[in-house]
Amino acid sequence: GENVEQHPSTLSVQEGDSAVIKCTYSDSASNYFPWYKQELGKGPQLIIDIRSNVGEKKDQRIAVTLNKTAKHFSLHITETQPEDSAVYFCAASRIGGGADGLTFGKGTHLIIQP
Amino acid sequence: ETGVTQTPRHLVMGMTNKKSLKCEQHLGHNAMYWYKQSAKKPLELMFVYSLEERVENNSVPSRFSPECPNSSHLFLHLHTLQPEDSALYLCASSQETASYNEQFFGPGTRLTVL
Repeated sequence: GENVEQHPSTLSVQEGDSAVIKCTYSDSASNYFPWYKQELGKGPQLIIDIRSNVGEKKDQRIAVTLNKTAKHFSLHITETQPEDSAVYFCAASRIGGGADGLTFGKGTHLIIQP
Repeated sequence: ETGVTQTPRHLVMGMTNKKSLKCEQHLGHNAMYWYKQSAKKPLELMFVYSLEERVENNSVPSRFSPECPNSSHLFLHLHTLQPEDSALYLCASSQETASYNEQFFGPGTRLTVL
């Protein structure tokens, strides 16, 4: 089955700086890579996703890159703000083959220092 | 709000009790999922239902029993649980298509087994 590794487990950055979270996956058949943000007392919420037919996707301050050959993908947050503090999860799955659950990384606790 | 509700939000039960968790989605989706979130572990997929039929069971112990009576409702029946089953149980739903699999999560039920 799929295995997703995520690093770092905790990341502390100064407000205004950039944050980068990295993930690797094992199953070459995986073709969908979402990133979720989880705030205290809430369920994970999708913030951006990427499919294996593109290498990069951007949405305002958030971007995701994918290297299919190396089987790794990364989340980039620029100009970090206090509200970015949360736990971020990467995930991988296959789409197009029926309802597939997501395989998640262990999460990164992002702390934005004022 | 994501359109996925879960009740109860908190549950404390003894090892001999029987209880049920409920999930309801208001998004018109055709697939629903149960995940388990334990401290310092990745979210673990437990069950997947597509069009009200169970399509995946990730080797979950029989003391967890899912039920999906229709495409909007999902239950997780619990009996004779162990303290290590204490965790946050998350429900998610998605619209299964050939090219998209965004999963929307509920807020979770925080379960404590005494």
